[in-house]
Formats: sequence, C-alpha cells, structure tokens
Amino acid sequence: IAGITQAPTSQILAAGRRMTLRCTQDMRHNAMYWYRQDLGLGLRLIHYSNTAGTTGKGEVPDGYSVSRANTDDFPLTLASAVPSQTSVYFCASSGGLESNEQFFGPGTRLTVL
Amino acid sequence: GQNIDQPTEMTATEGAIVQINCTYQTSGFNGLFWYQQHAGEAPTFLSYNVLDGLEEKGRFSSFLSRSKGYSYLLLKELQMKDSASYLCAVKSNDYKLSFGAGTTVTVRA
Repeated sequence: IAGITQAPTSQILAAGRRMTLRCTQDMRHNAMYWYRQDLGLGLRLIHYSNTAGTTGKGEVPDGYSVSRANTDDFPLTLASAVPSQTSVYFCASSGGLESNEQFFGPGTRLTVL
Repeated sequence: GQNIDQPTEMTATEGAIVQINCTYQTSGFNGLFWYQQHAGEAPTFLSYNVLDGLEEKGRFSSFLSRSKGYSYLLLKELQMKDSASYLCAVKSNDYKLSFGAGTTVTVRA
C-alpha cells in the first residue's frame, strides 16, 4: 500500500520555467490538498479539491494552478516559477473535507533560482 | 483570518514530560489537530479534539478549551525518537486546516 506518492522528490528550476508537481493517492480519498512549508511560517494551503472535477483556492493560491481529472491524481503546476516559490511542497488527502485526519505525502523540495 | 501561536522551540530530558501550548483565533471552529513531523519527513497525525477536555492516547495527550482558544499537547516519558516538530492546526467552518509554525522539541539524553 503506497498511500500518497509525490514526484519529483526534489527539483532545481530556473526562474520563468514551467513545472508540474505530481501527486497520486491510492486510498480512494475524495479530498486532496497542496501545501507549501516554509521555515517559520508552517504549512500553508495552496489549493484543494473536495472531489474529482472540483478545485478551490487556499491561503496562497497565486502563481499556482491545479486540476483534478480523477480521484487519484492532483497535480500542481507553476506556470512561470519565481524564486519566492522555493519551498517544500506537501500533497495530502482525506476521506472528505470534513474528515478528521489528513494523510501527507513525502514532499517535494523545490528550489527556484 | 486565522492566527495560531505556539512556541518555536522546547528542550527536555529523556524520560521527562513536556507540554506544548497552542493558542488560536480563527473564523469558526471544527476541531483542533496535532501533527508530528520529523526532520525531512511528512507530518503524521497525532490527535484530534473537537470538544473541551483531555484526549489520551498512550504517552501523548491533547487538551482543548474552546472558550479560551487554547490547546496543549502533553508528551510523557519522553524518548529520543520524540525529537521532532509538533504542529498545531485548526479546522475552520469551511473545513480547511490552518497550521501554526510548529514547535521543535529536542530530547536530550
């Protein structure tokens, strides 16, 4: 049982490039989330999806887009990366938005130069 | 908006008890969560409180007072493996989680 997988594990990216972070879960969870974690700021919600076909904005959505074509996958795209998007990105899932526990993927460490 | 405060760092000795406090001011309340995160790893769920009082789970306990906007996580019989960051998070009325910056606990031998 894999749970949640993220790819790549880490990436160094030139500013202005487009980048998609991948997230896949095999728990048939309805809700999925993308967070970024920065030192001193904690985890901040970027985008979320309540169910396949729907997405919503979190606390820090600017510069990011998501899609939810099916239950399992929730990719996060940076259309034109900027250095302030250097962070550790975590994908998470839960049974639904109202569920008590979110399960987190291993994270992607992204550096934008 | 959400405002969640917890101490940045705490240090304790193996076998001791440590209490991590969390205060919050949020727009609506649907539960308070504690997560553990070891360095370089993903957060993992520890506890959930939605009603006032103490929830005990082995060596870890979590307390909530909704009227005071206050929670604490109590770690007993500390072990070296408990060295980690502990994240307080509040779920608001729209079911989104807002996290505090985390408390790094260092356990010394």
